[in-house]
Amino acid sequence: SAVISQKPSRDICQRGTSLTIQCQVDSQVTMMFWYRQQPGQSLTLIATANQGSEATYESGFVIDKFPISRPNLTFSTLTVSNMSPEDSSIYLCSVAGTSGFTDTQYFGPGTRLTVL
Amino acid sequence: AQSVSQHNHHVILSEAASLELGCNYSYGGTVNLFWYVQYPGQHLQLLLKYFSGDPLVKGIKGFEAEFIKSKFSFNLRKPSVQWSDTAEYFCAVMPPGGYGQNFVFGPGTRLSVLP
Repeated sequence: SAVISQKPSRDICQRGTSLTIQCQVDSQVTMMFWYRQQPGQSLTLIATANQGSEATYESGFVIDKFPISRPNLTFSTLTVSNMSPEDSSIYLCSVAGTSGFTDTQYFGPGTRLTVL
Repeated sequence: AQSVSQHNHHVILSEAASLELGCNYSYGGTVNLFWYVQYPGQHLQLLLKYFSGDPLVKGIKGFEAEFIKSKFSFNLRKPSVQWSDTAEYFCAVMPPGGYGQNFVFGPGTRLSVLP
């Protein structure tokens, strides 16, 4: 499986500010995703990051709030904009399509975000 | 829409006890099935997966899962748990070739193993 890193690993931010989270993979992957895991809950898909085009957002998530970039096959960013305390969560990057395994997702370590 | 349910929110066992965590899904067609584990303070890791073939799948760390198509179930088992198995366990379902909203996670089961 691929090695996935995320930066930052955690952050504490003020209300109204924005934070950009980076996801780096050590090999080219077909697909990259961004998830949110709120405290004590399961994972919710935010969007699929598409290389060279706009991300595909799930219901309840919009580009203005969570802009995503994917300039190449190994890197993506998620920005959490105009943050509020309700955005406090763990944000996870995942990838699929590594080493021929297109139907399995592998997850990064996550970014723990606290908004004051 | 697909959904995944996990029978227990929190399971508490003593070391050496046997474990079975339930997972049921609602989807009428062929599915790929996964169990992920999240140890305290660590990232989500793949425990095992089922795509086709033998419905009894063996994963890492002595875990196995059985796919029972007629029951829409994919229960996770381990004959003898250890304190180090304390973690959150997530079942996930996806149809072959599907991504995005088609990859659905269950709500998770927290396992606490007492030494």
